[in-house]
Amino acid sequence: DIQVTQSPSSLSASVGDRVTITCRASQAIDNFLAWYHQKPGYAPKLLIFAAWHLLSGVPPRFSGSYSGTEFTLTISSLQPEDVGTFYCQKYDSFPLSFGGGTRVDLK
Amino acid sequence: EVQLLESGGALVQPGGSLRLSCAASGFTFTNFAMSWVRQAPGKGPEWISVISASGDKTDYAESARGRFVIARDNPTKMVFLQMDSLGVDDTAIYYCAKVKDDYRRPLDYWGQGTLVTVSS
Repeated sequence: DIQVTQSPSSLSASVGDRVTITCRASQAIDNFLAWYHQKPGYAPKLLIFAAWHLLSGVPPRFSGSYSGTEFTLTISSLQPEDVGTFYCQKYDSFPLSFGGGTRVDLK
Repeated sequence: EVQLLESGGALVQPGGSLRLSCAASGFTFTNFAMSWVRQAPGKGPEWISVISASGDKTDYAESARGRFVIARDNPTKMVFLQMDSLGVDDTAIYYCAKVKDDYRRPLDYWGQGTLVTVSS
């Protein structure tokens, strides 16, 4: 099975900071990668699909990109409501694996 | 407004069975595949299973294959997960989720989850 590895596992940043999270696939998955945000006590929410397409209603401070098997989620200006855990998910083939998560909190 | 409401979670003994249900509303149910995802305490999400819009196609994670069965009833807009031979490692919050656009796509709406605890 293709694995997706996220980094870092956690980070602390200040409001207004630019934050970057990376997800690497063990094999090529084209652009079949999504990003989710999960706040404590809630279900994950889809932010980005097909590597860089923002779901309707997602703030434009979120963006996604990729090169080969490396995918990046960028928050251009961290806001207090962005605290939580971010997960990537590959969906090129079954199983639809999630990355290990990146926990983001405020400095 | 899309709503997904899971039910059926409970405390069950190892080796036992449980059937989870998910009631969907707010979208054309017959147009979309549906999935189950679980999340063990303190862990990340784990995709479990998917069923096509018509119900004629299913896929499972290795951890679920042979023990879990996903099903749907389109007239009542319900999705089910029958879980047999449960073990302590199956303890998790189980989420029902709507698949975006097609069978093998991300999950754009999730329910609030139902807790399954496997313990003696």
